[in-house]
Amino acid sequence: QQPVQSPQAVILREGEDAVINCSSSKALYSVHWYRQKHGEAPVFLMILLKGGEQKGHEKISASFNEKKQQSSLYLTASQLSYSGTYFCGTEYRQTGANNLFFGTGTRLTVIP
Amino acid sequence: KAGVTQTPRYLIKTRGQQVTLSCSPISGHRSVSWYQQTPGQGLQFLFEYFSETQRNKGNFPGRFSGRQFSNSRSEMNVSTLELGDSALYLCASSLLTSGELFFGEGSRLTVL
Repeated sequence: QQPVQSPQAVILREGEDAVINCSSSKALYSVHWYRQKHGEAPVFLMILLKGGEQKGHEKISASFNEKKQQSSLYLTASQLSYSGTYFCGTEYRQTGANNLFFGTGTRLTVIP
Repeated sequence: KAGVTQTPRYLIKTRGQQVTLSCSPISGHRSVSWYQQTPGQGLQFLFEYFSETQRNKGNFPGRFSGRQFSNSRSEMNVSTLELGDSALYLCASSLLTSGELFFGEGSRLTVL
């Protein structure tokens, strides 16, 4: 039930854009995105619900394609502070509980 | 507002021993989830507690157990430690169900 993230790693120069994908073989109810910097706790970015709209947070936004059972995280005009490992967490039904299935992460490195 | 606090931060055990990890959630948060993080598997869900009741359990052996107290603090226990139990154990609390998770910095367990 673990979602598949791609790519596993990406290196960007400041100002470049990146897309991180999160795919599931099962129908998704929601997708949660987190970023974890080295040695720190994961930090929440956003939640996308089935039937919901694309979300955005400054230059980081995400979409949810129900037909493809896939979510994509878009990072535009990347900054050094965007470096870290990005995880998507998925729910397959509305359980009213917090038991997310996380992907193995995408390591993003932004260089000057 | 204090964040999620996990103790101890680092510990070393030998095979066959047992370990207890503690998590103090953000004040007012009643949901506490536990995750195991390893380089190859990413974040894997262990269990979730809400109002002292275990609501969900991940696919881990019975050696992994947990509990939640009336003040929402939670503990997890791993008995008969194996080398493969070496990992970062993350605790996350949430105000709402199926909402934003606030992670602690984790307890890094090394089993020798």
